[in-house]
Parts: sequence; C-alpha cells; structure tokens
Amino acid sequence: GEDVEQSLFLSVREGDSSVINCTYTDSSSTYLYWYKQEPGAGLQLLTYIFSNMDMKQDQRLTVLLNKKDKHLSLRIADTQTGDSAIYFCAVFLSGGYQKVTFGIGTKLQVIP
Amino acid sequence: DVKVTQSSRYLVKRTGEKVFLECVQDMDHENMFWYRQDPGLGLRLIYFSYDVKMKEKGDIPEGYSVSREKKERFSLILESASTNQTSMYLCASSFNEQFFGPGTRLTVL
Repeated sequence: GEDVEQSLFLSVREGDSSVINCTYTDSSSTYLYWYKQEPGAGLQLLTYIFSNMDMKQDQRLTVLLNKKDKHLSLRIADTQTGDSAIYFCAVFLSGGYQKVTFGIGTKLQVIP
Repeated sequence: DVKVTQSSRYLVKRTGEKVFLECVQDMDHENMFWYRQDPGLGLRLIYFSYDVKMKEKGDIPEGYSVSREKKERFSLILESASTNQTSMYLCASSFNEQFFGPGTRLTVL
C-alpha cells in the first residue's frame, strides 16, 4: 500500500519561512493534500495540488511537487505564532473508494 | 459552509462498556471515514463507508464496528471498550478532499 513519510518536528522563528517535507511511495497518486491540526481540534484542509502540477501558491503557502522523487513540500512564508500546529501530508490514489493515506504529521513550533 | 459534527468532544467510559460515537455531515457526501489518532502513530483508518449500509474495513478494524443507516450519519461502535481504545477519534466525509469533524477524545478507564 501507499506509504507517506514526514519528519516529526520543525522549529522556526517568527517571521522566517517554514518548509515541511513529505515523501510518498505510489507514483499513481492523483491528489496530494496538506492539512493543519491545531491543539484539540480536527484536521483542516489547507491546500492541495493535483499530480499534474509542479507548484501551487496560495497567499503565504507554496506547495511544491517533485513527481520524479515523489516529494511534496509545504512552504509557509513569514511564519506566525498562529501557524504553530501539526501539519499532515495526505495522498489520494485514483480508483478505490476515496481512501487517503496520511503521514504521521509534522509538529511546527514557532518561536516568538 | 461545510460541516462535519461529532456527538461529543470528550467522553469517559469504563472497560467493557458499549460505546457509540456519532458523526453527521451536511454536505451530501457518499464517503465517510473513522480514524483514530495517537501520538507518534498519526491517523489510522478504522472503517469507511462509501454508501448507505455499505462499509469497508480500514487498517485497524479490530474491536470496532460501524453503522451507516442514513447518508448523513456514520456511527462508530466499540462493542466492549478496552483501555487500549483510549484515543482521539476523528470522523471525515469526502467527495474529493476529506473534511474532518472536531474529534472526540475518548478515555476508557
């Protein structure tokens, strides 16, 4: 089955850029997502990218996809303390019943 | 605005009790999911449903069952709760991307 890997922890200073990385194994992945989870809350969809795209930008968020290396990244520009959360990479395969495989989540700590 | 609601935010039950976790979505989605989230393990899929009265086992279905009698409602059932089922339970529904409820933190004593 699909395997999605992320590092567990990232610490950045307020105002710096954060880059959260994710690798996956199945090259037939069609949609790739980034979710954010704040303490005590459910997951909130931040952004997504189709597998036929290399980059997507949405305000402070930039998603980069390297299909050859099966590598996905999320860059947050001008990181704020409100960005402190757990970020999940998730991959959707075509076919099947809309099953999505999630990474373990990267905890982003923003230092004031 | 899309909405997935879960019946309780916090729940405390005793070992051996039967536990019902309810999830309701208002987006007319056919697909619904139950996950549990544990530190260091991320999200693990318990069961999912792609239609009323249809269900499929996820990665960790043991000790759980589900019910989908109506399209908008997907229930997770712990037949006999055990302490290792203490966890955060997350419900989601989807057309493409998954929309999540706020989660239920279940403690089994």
